[in-house]
Amino acid sequence: SAVISQKPSRDICQRGTSLTIQCQVDSQVTMMFWYRQQPGQSLTLIATANQGSEATYESGFVIDKFPISRPNLTFSTLTVSNMSPEDSSIYLCSVLSRGLPDGYTFGSGTRLTVV
Amino acid sequence: GENVEQHPSTLSVQEGDSAVIKCTYSDSASNYFPWYKQELGKRPQLIIDIRSNVGEKKDQRIAVTLNKTAKHFSLHITETQPEDSAVYFCAAHNAGNMLTFGGGTRLMVKP
Repeated sequence: SAVISQKPSRDICQRGTSLTIQCQVDSQVTMMFWYRQQPGQSLTLIATANQGSEATYESGFVIDKFPISRPNLTFSTLTVSNMSPEDSSIYLCSVLSRGLPDGYTFGSGTRLTVV
Repeated sequence: GENVEQHPSTLSVQEGDSAVIKCTYSDSASNYFPWYKQELGKRPQLIIDIRSNVGEKKDQRIAVTLNKTAKHFSLHITETQPEDSAVYFCAAHNAGNMLTFGGGTRLMVKP
């Protein structure tokens, strides 16, 4: 399965600022996703990162708050904009390499604390 | 959209006993059901999965069953060990390539 490098692994940010999280995969992948995991909660899909076009956002998430880029088949970024303490969460990227036979793989996550 | 319910939210068992976690899903078009184990501070790790054309799958102490008619699937862990203690998530994948997660089960195995 694909190997994912996600960074930063953690950060403490001031409210009102923005943080960009990077996800690098060691091989070309079909699909890339971004999830949020709030403390003690399950994973919620933020958006599907589409190569060369705008991301597809899930209900409750908007592009102005969570702009996503995917310039090629191995790399994506998620920006958390104009942060507030409510944005404190773990953010994870996930990939689907070659369809279901490989299943989904997750990055190690970015633990974000907004103060 | 898909809705996945997971029960129980917490489960405490004695070492050596079995543990069962159950999930239901709403979208009959869902066709792939993975289970993830997440230890504290770590990423979710796939432990077993099942496709919609299979009723049961086993891997050593772990098994998953799927009832498509009833739209539910279950994780069974036998001979539990303290290192099985973690949060377990079920998920359902639909034709839109969306993976929807259950709420998670915190499993505690007491030595």
